[in-house]
Amino acid sequence: AQSVAQPEDQVNVAEGNPLTVKCTYSVSGNPYLFWYVQYPNRGLQFLLKYITGDNLVKGSYGFEAEFNKSQTSFHLKKPSALVSDSALYFCAVRRTWGNAGKSTFGDGTTLTVKP
Amino acid sequence: NAGVTQTPKFQVLKTGQSMTLQCAQDMNHNSMYWYRQDPGMGLRLIYYSASEGTTDKGEVPNGYNVSRLNKREFSLRLESAAPSQTSVYFCASSEGGGGANVLTFGAGSRLTVL
Repeated sequence: AQSVAQPEDQVNVAEGNPLTVKCTYSVSGNPYLFWYVQYPNRGLQFLLKYITGDNLVKGSYGFEAEFNKSQTSFHLKKPSALVSDSALYFCAVRRTWGNAGKSTFGDGTTLTVKP
Repeated sequence: NAGVTQTPKFQVLKTGQSMTLQCAQDMNHNSMYWYRQDPGMGLRLIYYSASEGTTDKGEVPNGYNVSRLNKREFSLRLESAAPSQTSVYFCASSEGGGGANVLTFGAGSRLTVL
């Protein structure tokens, strides 16, 4: 079985400060890891993914994520938050073998960036 | 380029009524999915279709049926709606069923069952 935990329901940061949204995962073997963002009344949009190689992955809108195999984590980061980053963020995992199509999502973290 | 289109956007049903959610994608993707989103529970996979002509159950398939009508279209049917099926439903598609393929989501269909 595979699972994702996003330990914080809510993250609040001030505009201009760095932000981190946490994600840990459990999967058999090696993982593919994803971050998606959902703005109000919209579908999810892809931000970035980890496949293999460099542990620091860069994605859209200045976001990046760091893969840590020993801690089974894939935290989303941004050096300087914008009010427009306020949204619901989902981490997802898929194992690299078998189980075609079955991505498992975390419960989501609401990010609020205050001016 | 519309991406993934879902209809209807909103629907209110009475317990026991049936309805079909429609989904179409124009990206020539092979795989399509139906998820439901409930507060505090993330997204849960209902059914998916790895390729045209195949469908498989996800985490929460009970009370639902699907049809992969052709490569573009994947519909979700509630035969006898229950209040527990009140949710926001998302259709998604990807180039392939496995690997590091990225999901492209529709805007969602909000369903209320009274």
